[in-house]
Amino acid sequence: DTEVTQTPKHLVMGMTNKKSLKCEQHMGHRAMYWYKQKAKKPPELMFVYSYEKLSINESVPSRFSPECPNSSLLNLHLHALQPEDSALYLCASSHRDGEEAFFGQGTRLTVV
Amino acid sequence: GESVGLHLPTLSVQEGDNSIINCAYSNSASDYFIWYKQESGKGPQFIIDIRSNMDKRQGQRVTVLLNKTVKHLSLQIAATQPGDSAVYFCAENLYNFNKFYFGSGTKLNVKP
Repeated sequence: DTEVTQTPKHLVMGMTNKKSLKCEQHMGHRAMYWYKQKAKKPPELMFVYSYEKLSINESVPSRFSPECPNSSLLNLHLHALQPEDSALYLCASSHRDGEEAFFGQGTRLTVV
Repeated sequence: GESVGLHLPTLSVQEGDNSIINCAYSNSASDYFIWYKQESGKGPQFIIDIRSNMDKRQGQRVTVLLNKTVKHLSLQIAATQPGDSAVYFCAENLYNFNKFYFGSGTKLNVKP
């Protein structure tokens, strides 16, 4: 299994809603990442988890809250988002941080 | 030909021709580089990687060249096919920081 699975594929949420994005991998990777990608732009790193501990937070607003319940799962909890937060949210994993990262297909988030 | 402007640079090639996609990276301390391919509506897909102790690495139909002197990376695709049409990103990993920064990307358009 060489897949990173993200759910849901699409999400529309209001600015007062609370929602979560989920990411799962069964490759035994110990580093997991959240990236945000706006249209026609490169992915931008948000968070890095290494061995289930948050190792990097790229100054992301607190309305985005990551969680790594175990080595296979990564969540991104969303609360009080703004329309400008609409983007493709990508999850990735690698054997160790700094190594080749495998990406999921992303969650297309629209904030209304 | 290649056009560069405020939007995503686009490289248009004829099917069967060779393609060369270029990337200028920002930090001389970067020690690991990856080329990713991203098709519309999908997550980035690993193509090939190279470490800073190498100048060249070859894969199946792809070659990556690294010029550390001028901080330049290139991806060569031999016998380009319509399925190669996508956006290509280079990503650099900064030594000891274990996080990847993506370049701005180039859209490859293969004409049949």
